[in-house]
Amino acid sequence: GAVVSQHPSRVICKSGTSVKIECRSLDFQATTMFWYRQFPKKSLMLMATSNEGSKATYEQGVEKDKFLINHASLTLSTLTVTSAHPEDSSFYICSAPDRRLVNYNEQFFGPGTRLTVL
Amino acid sequence: AQKVTQAQTEISVVEKEDVTLDCVYETRDTTYYLFWYKQPPSGELVFLIRRNSFDEQNEISGRYSWNFQKSTSSFNFTITASQVVDSAVYFCALSSSYNTDKLIFGTGTRLQVFP
Repeated sequence: GAVVSQHPSRVICKSGTSVKIECRSLDFQATTMFWYRQFPKKSLMLMATSNEGSKATYEQGVEKDKFLINHASLTLSTLTVTSAHPEDSSFYICSAPDRRLVNYNEQFFGPGTRLTVL
Repeated sequence: AQKVTQAQTEISVVEKEDVTLDCVYETRDTTYYLFWYKQPPSGELVFLIRRNSFDEQNEISGRYSWNFQKSTSSFNFTITASQVVDSAVYFCALSSSYNTDKLIFGTGTRLQVFP
């Protein structure tokens, strides 16, 4: 199946700093990517839809100024957590559908990024 | 509103036991898709199955089988002869045919298989 990578896999930062997380589709182009957040032992919550060439679409309750999303190319989306605070600590996962497939809405997930804000 | 309920938070079994993970969904859409994903300790979600709401046939793939019942809005997942490698968190998810990309996840069931 298609491969999605994320970098970094783990990051620890001080409160007040900004952290950038990259999501890449390695062997296919993705005009759309999705960002999820997962709290410990909790479900995945969709944060936003990243659209190549246009603004991201945020889910209700997600602060767009806090979680900046940029879809720089057909294979790269970045999530920047600005002025991070301890409550932003979480597991962030991205996904992308490979439209070449018959099941064109099948999502391929990245391995996730664990963010810890001290 | 769409919702997925996985009532079982954690299940523990001994290797070779059969185990069924329950999934109940709510949707007003007439066409929708149901999914199961596996999340091993490494964290990466692994796609297991996708089911269209028009297809109520049960499916078997090796030791895995799925029972889709529209009448009870359930899409249960059974692992036969469980193995230690099956230990993971399993998520059931739902998407609408109007927005097939947006997945609504259940809260997950943590399965622990002991040797």
